[in-house]
Amino acid sequence: ETGVTQSPTHLIKTRGQQVTLRCSSQSGHNTVSWYQQALGQGPQFIFQYYREEENGRGNFPPRFSGLQFPNYSSELNVNALELDDSALYLCASSPEVNYGYTFGSGTRLTVV
Amino acid sequence: RKEVEQDPGPFNVPEGATVAFNCTYSNSASQSFFWYRQDCRKEPKLLMSVYSSGNEDGRFTAQLNRASQYISLLIRDSKLSDSATYLCVVNMYTGNQFYFGTGTSLTVIP
Repeated sequence: ETGVTQSPTHLIKTRGQQVTLRCSSQSGHNTVSWYQQALGQGPQFIFQYYREEENGRGNFPPRFSGLQFPNYSSELNVNALELDDSALYLCASSPEVNYGYTFGSGTRLTVV
Repeated sequence: RKEVEQDPGPFNVPEGATVAFNCTYSNSASQSFFWYRQDCRKEPKLLMSVYSSGNEDGRFTAQLNRASQYISLLIRDSKLSDSATYLCVVNMYTGNQFYFGTGTSLTVIP
């Protein structure tokens, strides 16, 4: 059974650019959530996708958007990057509501 | 007020000690609760779920107090390998939207 995989592992972007991060959920998991984790902080909920539909959103601006595909893989897109967007971006999948999440190892984004 | 709050620590304890972490949450309708462990520069990993009746997994005991809206994690006989950040996680609303605390740092000292 493969776990959650994310790509790329590291990324450096310039302020104002756009970025797409990718996530393959664990086999059999139909729910994917994205989190942003700044240094020294807990992960902050960005949004969740369930069966290709957005199913909840945290306190992030519209320039953070996402997609989930029929195979339940997912993308996180961030437009107009700001320096404060520098963080570890974590994708997590779950098989059912109220089950614990399995996390990918994350994408570390640096905005310069 | 943050949805989930926990003492960031750090907690520095000797091997063999017992240590407890608490975490409070703001939404009384929260449905499910978890403790995750995160090692430095790694992703969070599920340590255990927290059930209303309390539950134990080896040296780890988790408890939920719905009336006071807090969850706790007790680690007995601490090992060096327990050194990590412990994150409490609450499913705040309908659906699978998990909210994390900021994490409590634990260092077990030889």
